[in-house]
Amino acid sequence: KAGVTQTPRYLIKTRGQQVTLSCSPISGHRSVSWYQQTPGQGLQFLFEYFSETQRNKGNFPGRFSGRQFSNSRSEMNVSTLELGDSALYLCASSLALRRNDEQYFGPGTRLTVT
Amino acid sequence: AQKVTQAQTEISVVEKEDVTLDCVYETRDTTYYLFWYKQPPSGELVFLIRRNSFDEQNEISGRYSWNFQKSTSSFNFTITASQVVDSAVYFCALSEADPNDYKLSFGAGTTVTVRA
Repeated sequence: KAGVTQTPRYLIKTRGQQVTLSCSPISGHRSVSWYQQTPGQGLQFLFEYFSETQRNKGNFPGRFSGRQFSNSRSEMNVSTLELGDSALYLCASSLALRRNDEQYFGPGTRLTVT
Repeated sequence: AQKVTQAQTEISVVEKEDVTLDCVYETRDTTYYLFWYKQPPSGELVFLIRRNSFDEQNEISGRYSWNFQKSTSSFNFTITASQVVDSAVYFCALSEADPNDYKLSFGAGTTVTVRA
């Protein structure tokens, strides 16, 4: 079974631009979560989608948004990029049928904002 | 407030030594789940183990073992006879019981370096 895939793997953007990252979950998984990883703040939860609905959102500004499609694929968008948005963005998928279902992570998209 | 604390920032050992990673968590929920993930240099987080708050039975899986103690809110992880391939960042994570709060709260991670 294929794992979680994320595209692109690397991205360089300029301040003020916007960016869209994509995540394809493991087949059959209906939940997709996004995390931001930076050296200073560590791994922080961005949001989680289940069956095209956002179930939970972390403490990030409104510039960060996401969506999930009917095939469970998810995208996240960051508008008006700031230098501090440079990070590894990780996507995780889960069956999410039970509270303790493990999340399977993709390789991440490394975003650099210059 | 930090929900998961990994006090050890870095640990360096020589191959075949044992390594124990500490994790202390904080929650008011009686039902919660604890996880350990490994992040090798490739960047992908790899799931290692999960425990629910009602299962304090410790577990051994190959060279890995876990010690869960609710009395001290700790969920420690030991690698026995470490190998160079164990070099990675290890994260402890907590998932609390709120059905609308399905997220993992991660610790800061412990970087393990195993030298040949």
